[in-house]
Amino acid sequence: DAGVIQSPRHEVTEMGQEVTLRCKPISGHDYLFWYRQTMMRGLELLIYFNNNVPIDDSGMPEDRFSAKMPNASFSTLKIQPSEPRDSAVYFCASSLAGAFDKTQYFGPGTRLLVL
Amino acid sequence: GQQVMQIPQYQHVQEGEDFTTYCNSSTTLSNIQWYKQRPGGHPVFLIQLVKSGEVKKQKRLTFQFGEAKKNSSLHITATQTTDVGTYFCAGYKHGSSNTGKLIFGQGTTLQVKP
Repeated sequence: DAGVIQSPRHEVTEMGQEVTLRCKPISGHDYLFWYRQTMMRGLELLIYFNNNVPIDDSGMPEDRFSAKMPNASFSTLKIQPSEPRDSAVYFCASSLAGAFDKTQYFGPGTRLLVL
Repeated sequence: GQQVMQIPQYQHVQEGEDFTTYCNSSTTLSNIQWYKQRPGGHPVFLIQLVKSGEVKKQKRLTFQFGEAKKNSSLHITATQTTDVGTYFCAGYKHGSSNTGKLIFGQGTTLQVKP
């Protein structure tokens, strides 16, 4: 298996632009998680899905952030409009609902810089 | 809400010294997991502890789960430069309102001086 795939790996954009991050979870995994990591705030859970349905979006910073999961093999995290404080590494992770341990498998991340 | 606290935040050691990071949960956990993130990388699963008082070893790494299943520790014996990175604990609780979600600690970043 290729593992969790994220694209792009790096993104540099200007303030006010729309940014779309993409994630393909491991095939067969039921849960998909979006995290944001910064030096100041550490690893933060933004939102997670179970069987394509958003379960908890309480970590989404504000209305500028939105996430979708149109099918079991694809999810997007969109920031519109982007701001410099959104600069961070965004990780997608997936796990198997039927597994007792709920081990999460992380993608390589998207490094976002908003100028 | 459920919280997992991890200390210390940073640790600098000389190569060959031991290192320990501690994890404490505000509630009893069903299991606890440990992840390692190398600089510039992503968190990678290391191990899971399930039973009260459980101890597991991976070479120079020793993981413990407390008797009350609310705390855990990771101990590295004789650190090497390859141990550099951030170590996260993550707690899971069955039957919680947000089933499927892990609660991550803040992580301990380990620096090893050669």
